[in-house]
Amino acid sequence: DAKTTQPTSMDCAEGRAANLPCNHSTISGNEYVYWYRQIHSQGPQYIIHGLKNNETNEMASLIITEDRKSSTLILPHATLRDTAVYYCIVRETNSGGSNYKLTFGKGTLLTVNP
Amino acid sequence: EAGVAQSPRYKIIEKRQSVAFWCNPISGHATLYWYQQILGQGPKLLIQFQNNGVVDDSQLPKDRFSAERLKGVDSTLKIQPAKLEDSAVYLCASSLRPRGSGTEAFFGQGTRLTVV
Repeated sequence: DAKTTQPTSMDCAEGRAANLPCNHSTISGNEYVYWYRQIHSQGPQYIIHGLKNNETNEMASLIITEDRKSSTLILPHATLRDTAVYYCIVRETNSGGSNYKLTFGKGTLLTVNP
Repeated sequence: EAGVAQSPRYKIIEKRQSVAFWCNPISGHATLYWYQQILGQGPKLLIQFQNNGVVDDSQLPKDRFSAERLKGVDSTLKIQPAKLEDSAVYLCASSLRPRGSGTEAFFGQGTRLTVV
C-alpha cells in the first residue's frame, strides 16, 4: 500500500501558484519523496524528488517539513497544461532490499482553471 | 533522447484469449518496470527487472501473467488467458539504475487493453 495521503482533488487559477500537499507520517529516515504527474491518456511523468532538503527544478519546487512527515509540491505559475493527477510517492526498498520501487496511490487531481 | 516505447497502443481481445505487450526502454537503462493501471486508480507495479533478472514480481498474477526481458533490453508482458478484470492500461517504465542517483523512472504511453 502507498505510504502517502493526498487530497482527492484541488483547483487552481491559471497563473497562480499551485500548492499540492502530501502526508507521509510513516516515512523512514532514508526514504525519498518522489512526485509524478499523469496527464490524461499519458504515462506518468517524473517531476522532482527529495530526501530532506528543499529541491527546485525547472518544473517545480518541493518543500519537505523538518520532521519529514509531510511535503508540498509547488508549481509556481500554473497553466492549463498542468491539469493532471499528481502522485506523491515514498520510494521504498523492495522485499529483497536490493532495489527501490515506487508504489502509487490515487493522487490528487489538480484542475487549473482559466 | 528517445523515450520508452510501447506497442501496441490499444488492444481489444475476448476473454480467455492471449495477448502480449512489448516495451523498449530508454537506451542504457538497467531497470525496467511493468505497471498495471485500472481506470480511476494509480499504477500498480507488476514486475521489476534489473538487467535481465527479476527483482520483484510479488504482485504479478503468475497463473496468467508472464514477463521476460531477454538480453536485458526489450521486454514483453503476456497474459494468457485474459479475464475481464485485466482490462487496464499497461505501463512500462525504465530507470538508469536501481540505487543512488538516476533512479527516477520514465514511463511510456502505455497499452490500453480491453477484454470483452
